Amino acid sequence: GQSLEQPSEVTAVEGAIVQINCTYQTSGFYGLSWYQQHDGGAPTFLSYNALDGLEETGRFSSFLSRSDSYGYLLLQELQMKDSASYFCAVRDQGVEDGQNFVFGPGTRLSVLP
Amino acid sequence: DAGVTQSPTHLIKTRGQHVTLRCSPISGHKSVSWYQQVLGQGPQFIFQYYEKEERGRGNFPDRFSARQFPNYSSELNVNALLLGDSALYLCASSPWSAGGQPQHFGDGTRLSIL
Repeated sequence: GQSLEQPSEVTAVEGAIVQINCTYQTSGFYGLSWYQQHDGGAPTFLSYNALDGLEETGRFSSFLSRSDSYGYLLLQELQMKDSASYFCAVRDQGVEDGQNFVFGPGTRLSVLP
Repeated sequence: DAGVTQSPTHLIKTRGQHVTLRCSPISGHKSVSWYQQVLGQGPQFIFQYYEKEERGRGNFPDRFSARQFPNYSSELNVNALLLGDSALYLCASSPWSAGGQPQHFGDGTRLSIL
């Protein structure tokens, strides 16, 4: 089967650094993406890793290790507006030879003042 | 430029009815995907369409169907609605089908089944 695991909740204070881990088990693998979703809002794309290593975009960085089927999202200099749910997602081969997108259960990040 | 637009924003139906949800992708985007998101869970993939052809299908019953039109807009149809179909239905578009293209999501249609 296809599954992704993430911590359900993470809490941190403003200005801190937080890491959200994601492990995946899929029949194929075409890269790991991260999305942010505020309550009542639509998911928004944050980052994508196709190859091993670290990708940096401003305060956010994402890491991938394909040999470990593991990745993480690193958020630095946390701000109150970063309070949201964060989803990792993989794109693997579906059973009908199409492209199947699988999202993790999400990690709810609470940033405290 | 307009983002992904979905209609309606909210919908209330009763068991056994059918529903049609609509999505207009970002201009120039040819790939449209549909997801179901139950409160407190991650989005679950239903379909992907690219250039009017189905490119991916998730683990949903045949009551769920979709199509994409020549202007790349899309419809999701659900027949014989069940209480468990109550969810937020999200549409996402991307320029093309391959690779790790960022998906741009609409605000969704919240479907409630009574």
